[in-house]
Amino acid sequence: DGGITQSPKYLFRKEGQNVTLSCEQNLNHDAMYWYRQDPGQGLRLIYYSQIVNDFQKGDIAEGYSVSREKKESFPLTVTSAQKNPTAFYLCASSRGQEGQPQHFGDGTRLSIL
Amino acid sequence: QKEVEQNSGPLSVPEGAIASLNCTYSDRGSQSFFWYRQYSGKSPELIMFIYSNGDKEDGRFTAQLNKASQYVSLLIRDSQPSDSATYLCAVTGGSSNTGKLIFGQGTTLQVKP
Repeated sequence: DGGITQSPKYLFRKEGQNVTLSCEQNLNHDAMYWYRQDPGQGLRLIYYSQIVNDFQKGDIAEGYSVSREKKESFPLTVTSAQKNPTAFYLCASSRGQEGQPQHFGDGTRLSIL
Repeated sequence: QKEVEQNSGPLSVPEGAIASLNCTYSDRGSQSFFWYRQYSGKSPELIMFIYSNGDKEDGRFTAQLNKASQYVSLLIRDSQPSDSATYLCAVTGGSSNTGKLIFGQGTTLQVKP
């Protein structure tokens, strides 16, 4: 089945620690996105990538980093500089052109220990 | 002014009634509009998209778009308790071709048996 796989489902971060969230898709989509969702809030864009080896900052990129070495993979690192990382993190992908819908993985819930 | 605005609700309707969810957006150049359903603790799921003024029907769902008024709505006919969820409106940025979506904060729908 084609889809987007995020792992782990739950993640705990210690003070001063970097953690990496995995996102893999087998939909052959060109574009991939990372969002953060806080309770009762909509989705805020962290980073996005339209093509391999290229990515752009979204609205709330500070304290996060990404890479796009393969079309299928777009991992997100939450660095120690992100002081309030507790949130639901969603990865999405699309064909990338205007008007194409985004499809989401199941999400990773990150908490501070 | 927020770019995409939704009433957070909750909107409460009895089972079998029509639920009407509304969304306004600020960018007149936006061309594509999406409705996602998000159950509590889960990731968003695409349920409708609309590109042209007027109505688009899919089963019990109807999306309505009025670009002149910068307004998009979602009607759910014969509402069922299983429709109880948060509905997110998403709009493409009018001035770019990146496939980026701007999300509203969502409207929570409660369908009471």
